[in-house]
Amino acid sequence: NAGVMQNPRHLVRRRGQEARLRCSPMKGHSHVYWYRQLPEEGLKFMVYLQKENIIDESGMPKERFSAEFPKEGPSILRIQQVVRGDSAAYFCASSLWRTPETQYFGPGTRLLVL
Amino acid sequence: KNEVEQSPQNLTAQEGEFITINCSYSVGISALHWLQQHPGGGIVSLFMLSSGKKKHGRLIATINIQEKHSSLHITASHPRDSAVYICAVSPLNSGGSNYKLTFGKGTLLTVNP
Repeated sequence: NAGVMQNPRHLVRRRGQEARLRCSPMKGHSHVYWYRQLPEEGLKFMVYLQKENIIDESGMPKERFSAEFPKEGPSILRIQQVVRGDSAAYFCASSLWRTPETQYFGPGTRLLVL
Repeated sequence: KNEVEQSPQNLTAQEGEFITINCSYSVGISALHWLQQHPGGGIVSLFMLSSGKKKHGRLIATINIQEKHSSLHITASHPRDSAVYICAVSPLNSGGSNYKLTFGKGTLLTVNP
């Protein structure tokens, strides 16, 4: 049973480009969470999704950021017109049920904006 | 003041030593999580607990709900235990948003041979 998969593991973008981060949850998990870890800071919740639904996006910046979890395929975190401040590690996690429940984390995507 | 505070921020130990990392929180919680992150690596969930004590191998996690405090202990520490240990809480929330983990800033543990 493969764990949570994220790709790419590293992503370099120039200011103004778009970044697409993908997350495939563990098999059978329908709850996906995205977190951001800024340099020298703790992890922060961004968004919680179930299949085809955004449940809570209260931690996501209002502009340029969007997330989806389609019926088929991975969850996508999309950042448009990236800026240097978007440089961070983005982690996705999945759970079998809505928490409180152990969340299984992916390896993360390290985004560097030049 | 952060809702989740960890101490110490950094910890250096010699192989074989007993390690304790502390976590205090200021909100009502439904569960507390201990996570491990290796440098440049992913995050592994070690424990989720809401009362008492849990043990897995050389790792022990305890929680005192009344004191709003949890500890992570590592017995017979080893260099491969070197990592950042992160405490996170699932808030007790009538709105049902207990999935929204709040994290401490982590404790960087270095175990020297």
